[in-house]
Amino acid sequence: DAKTTQPTSMDCAEGRAANLPCNHSTISGNEYVYWYRQIHSQGPQYIIHGLKNNETNEMASLIITEDRKSSTLILPHATLRDTAVYYCIVRGALYNNNDMRFGAGTRLTVKP
Amino acid sequence: GAGVSQSPRYKVAKRGQDVALRCDPISGHVSLFWYQQALGQGPEFLTYFQNEAQLDKSGLPSDRFFAERPEGSVSTLKIQRTQQEDSAVYLCASSLEGDKQYFGPGTRLTVT
Repeated sequence: DAKTTQPTSMDCAEGRAANLPCNHSTISGNEYVYWYRQIHSQGPQYIIHGLKNNETNEMASLIITEDRKSSTLILPHATLRDTAVYYCIVRGALYNNNDMRFGAGTRLTVKP
Repeated sequence: GAGVSQSPRYKVAKRGQDVALRCDPISGHVSLFWYQQALGQGPEFLTYFQNEAQLDKSGLPSDRFFAERPEGSVSTLKIQRTQQEDSAVYLCASSLEGDKQYFGPGTRLTVT
């Protein structure tokens, strides 16, 4: 069963913020939210992950709602190179856990 | 630094042939994962190693699929008597502690 729901596709103008939503209404207390992306013809690339606090790194910000039933990945200034499929994944234990199930993801197209 | 490498990048096999796909993980990474990605779909988990031990092979679609990692570093995914439905991109990922996974570029297998 899919643990997450994401829109199939989204567009974003170059230089604007891209906000990618993810619903995970059945998330349990010890499950983390991970985001990966996959640029065409490449392997997936880790972006960010979080448990309940908002997180930020050099690539993106992750905003998790207080009830943890949804989250948003924010790319603050999207570039053409950010065009990719973005996967939101809910998984259990942080370490030594192989429970990473990708869904279909959101295809983000950044337009000039 | 060197990332995860996979070889060959492309493989064409006639139906019924055996194939072997190689994965060189990041040096020192304990965990190694194999995924299968059909066209237009997200990656699907196949199997997981921690060092040389195969801890989970629940995702292998049939007994024609076999993976090994005899010395806890390089891994080989072998598919016997290939079928057309085996056509996909096979991704390998490695991880130091099982949290962030680093993916290789994948091997695109086409069975004719």
